Amino acid sequence: AQSVTQLGSHVSVSEGALVLLRCNYSSSVPPYLFWYVQYPNQGLQLLLKYTSAATLVKGINGFEAEFKKSETSFHLTKPSAHMSDAAEYFCAVSDDSGAGSYQLTFGKGTKLSVIP
Amino acid sequence: SQTIHQWPATLVQPVGSPLSLECTVEGTSNPNLYWYRQAAGRGLQLLFYSVGIGQISSEVPQNLSASRPQDRQFILSSKKLLLSDSGFYLCAWSAARTATFFGQGTRLTVV
Repeated sequence: AQSVTQLGSHVSVSEGALVLLRCNYSSSVPPYLFWYVQYPNQGLQLLLKYTSAATLVKGINGFEAEFKKSETSFHLTKPSAHMSDAAEYFCAVSDDSGAGSYQLTFGKGTKLSVIP
Repeated sequence: SQTIHQWPATLVQPVGSPLSLECTVEGTSNPNLYWYRQAAGRGLQLLFYSVGIGQISSEVPQNLSASRPQDRQFILSSKKLLLSDSGFYLCAWSAARTATFFGQGTRLTVV
């Protein structure tokens, strides 16, 4: 069974400050890892993904994440927060059950607030 | 390009009433389809997934059911809604392990 832990249900940063959202995973197979962003009352938008290629992954809106196998981590960062980054962020790991269903297991989410 | 449509966006239903939420995908064939529920403070929970027409797998026992009558159509149903069925329901599709794409969601309030 796979699982995802996001440390911190709420994170506040000042506009222009570094954003760091933490994600640790457990997986019995080489993981595929994802970060999604959700704005209020909207669906989830894919920010970036790790699929066993480069360990440093760049995504949309200036976000990036680094896969560290030794630490079982996939933390999300952005050098300078913008007011529009305020949203909820979900880390997820993809399961390959062998039946081709590719289910996602999500962390509980981290709500990011950006202070002007 | 592929798109996913989910409707309605919001729904208020009385306890004991039936439910039907619909999701369709365009621009791809034989996608994997999923229904997730998001309850406040509880993250996203996978309810059902389907790898083909008529093939439905349920992840949790519940008051809901799902059907896939056509290749790119996925329906979430209930015969009698409970208060605990309130939440934000998300339909999603994938064609490979490398990405899953979500609809805009349905906010269901059972009163």
